[in-house]
Amino acid sequence: GAGVSQSPSNKVTEKGKDVELRCDPISGHTALYWYRQSLGQGLEFLIYFQGNSAPDKSGLPSDRFSAERTGGSVSTLTIQRTQQEDSAVYLCASSPQGATDTQYFGPGTRLTVL
Amino acid sequence: SQKIEQNSEALNIQEGKTATLTCNYTNYSPAYLQWYRQDPGRGPVFLLLIRENEKEKRKERLKVTFDTTLKQSLFHITASQPADSATYLCALDKGSGNTGKLIFGQGTTLQVKP
Repeated sequence: GAGVSQSPSNKVTEKGKDVELRCDPISGHTALYWYRQSLGQGLEFLIYFQGNSAPDKSGLPSDRFSAERTGGSVSTLTIQRTQQEDSAVYLCASSPQGATDTQYFGPGTRLTVL
Repeated sequence: SQKIEQNSEALNIQEGKTATLTCNYTNYSPAYLQWYRQDPGRGPVFLLLIRENEKEKRKERLKVTFDTTLKQSLFHITASQPADSATYLCALDKGSGNTGKLIFGQGTTLQVKP
């Protein structure tokens, strides 16, 4: 079956612009996560959606970052007024109901802020 | 503060030998620990999960140990093959119990030479 997909695969933007990154989780998965992976660093948790519950935004690094999940499926991560330190690979993962200990990752979006 | 550490130096071994990777953590009492494989340009792929009450877990040529006293997990690949070359990440749940919010080590790159 189809795995987690993300788009675009690469995004180059200028400092100060807004960007939107999209994640399509595995069909039927209720949990969705966003992570960020900077060069030479481990994955950094950003935000977590579980079903219809309010998202856990505890990992978002600043108020320039926000995310939505529409209809319990597709999610969009938005970064406003991008900065060079936002350059990283943004990874999305999903999990089925009751199995949040096993996460299935997408290929990521590589964001470069010039 | 909470930390999870993996050997950042690449591990180079000869085909057929056993690779052993280390994951150490501090200031956590995790309910479980996970290992993922990540290939360049791809998202992490889940390999194994070991719970706090398990000492050892095996899957084909993979073996994971978990010592909650030493706060350490070892990941072994026996009869290694060049196709095993990748970066291996360990991860813990950030919260207490199973919250799904994972914290990752920075990964250890394994290179298996034919």
